[in-house]
Amino acid sequence: DTEVTQTPKHLVMGMTNKKSLKCEQHMGHRAMYWYKQKAKKPPELMFVYSYEKLSINESVPSRFSPECPNSSLLNLHLHALQPEDSALYLCASSQDTSGSGNEQFFGPGTRLTVL
Amino acid sequence: GQSLEQPSEVTAVEGAIVQINCTYQTSGFYGLSWYQQHDGGAPTFLSYNALDGLEETGRFSSFLSRSDSYGYLLLQELQMKDSASYFCAVRVLTGGGNKLTFGTGTQLKVEL
Repeated sequence: DTEVTQTPKHLVMGMTNKKSLKCEQHMGHRAMYWYKQKAKKPPELMFVYSYEKLSINESVPSRFSPECPNSSLLNLHLHALQPEDSALYLCASSQDTSGSGNEQFFGPGTRLTVL
Repeated sequence: GQSLEQPSEVTAVEGAIVQINCTYQTSGFYGLSWYQQHDGGAPTFLSYNALDGLEETGRFSSFLSRSDSYGYLLLQELQMKDSASYFCAVRVLTGGGNKLTFGTGTQLKVEL
């Protein structure tokens, strides 16, 4: 199984809502990532989890809160978002972050619209 | 920080060969990856170079020159399905581990 799954596929939320994005992988990978991608732009790294611990936070606003309940799951909790946060949110996983295992496997993403 | 430059658009005909260049400036350089992304799809891994030279994977090859901070992706025998965005991405070592920073992306259009 070389698949990363993400739910939901689409999400529309108001600025006062609280919602969560979910990501799952069963490849035994110990590194998981959240990226944000705007239209016609490259993916931008938000967070990295290594062995279920947050190892990199790219100065992301606190209205985005990541969580890694176990080695297969990654969540992104959203609260009080702004319209400019509308984007495709991609989850990815890799073997680890040490450099062995060079490939990151990406999920299909959640397309988020903030009204 | 890191900066990566790629051409924004490349157009080629089916069956041709195309080269997408990538120049980068970064500290903690570990390697250069290439990803393909179709419209509405997820990025998919194509290749990775940690050392100088050419890596070949089927119709795709990737080259790295660490001394020139330069790499390229070579696509041979172009097919219509190769129309997509191609991103180079530097892998850098940080205190928190390896991370990828993506280039601006090259939109490849393959025409008949």
